Amino acid sequence: AQRVTQPEKLLSVFKGAPVELKCNYSYSGSPELFWYVQYSRQRLQLLLRHISRESIKGFTADLNKGETSFHLKKPFAQEEDSAMYYCALSGRGGSTLGRLYFGRGTQLTVWP
Amino acid sequence: KAGVTQTPRYLIKTRGQQVTLSCSPISGHRSVSWYQQTPGQGLQFLFEYFSETQRNKGNFPGRFSGRQFSNSRSEMNVSTLELGDSALYLCASSFLRGGDTEAFFGQGTRLTVV
Repeated sequence: AQRVTQPEKLLSVFKGAPVELKCNYSYSGSPELFWYVQYSRQRLQLLLRHISRESIKGFTADLNKGETSFHLKKPFAQEEDSAMYYCALSGRGGSTLGRLYFGRGTQLTVWP
Repeated sequence: KAGVTQTPRYLIKTRGQQVTLSCSPISGHRSVSWYQQTPGQGLQFLFEYFSETQRNKGNFPGRFSGRQFSNSRSEMNVSTLELGDSALYLCASSFLRGGDTEAFFGQGTRLTVV
């Protein structure tokens, strides 16, 4: 069954500290993985996806197929990174593209 | 480009009533999907429409239905409302062509059932 697990509901770090938000998944096939972010009073938006292999706002995420993980990392957290982060996956073809499976989310707080 | 627009933003309904929520996708996007967000269950997929056809459906009762029009605008309907239907309903649109799989979300409709 398709499942996305984010083990930490809450995560707090101090400004300048490294941060890692964990995400594990199960999917019978080859999924596409995403991280979505929701800042306070803003809509849910894409942060990055594994296919593009980009670094957005200093965040990176590497897909580890062996461990079925897609952890989000940033070496030096900033206060403006405080937000709710959701890991999500979808299929990679046809009708499976339009459906996202979300984790329960991790609320990141970066203290000054 | 204009973002995904959901109307209304807030709704209060009584148990047993029905409700219709609307979603206008980004111009050119043919895929529209709906999600229910609650503190207890998180983000749960309701259904997805592509070019007026429902392609995917989540595990929700038949009281939840939707449709998509030829201009890609979508509506979802919930009949015989229950208290547990109180949630934030999010709509997302996607292009889904040429490897463009990003979902763009609306602000949501906050439904309260009393």
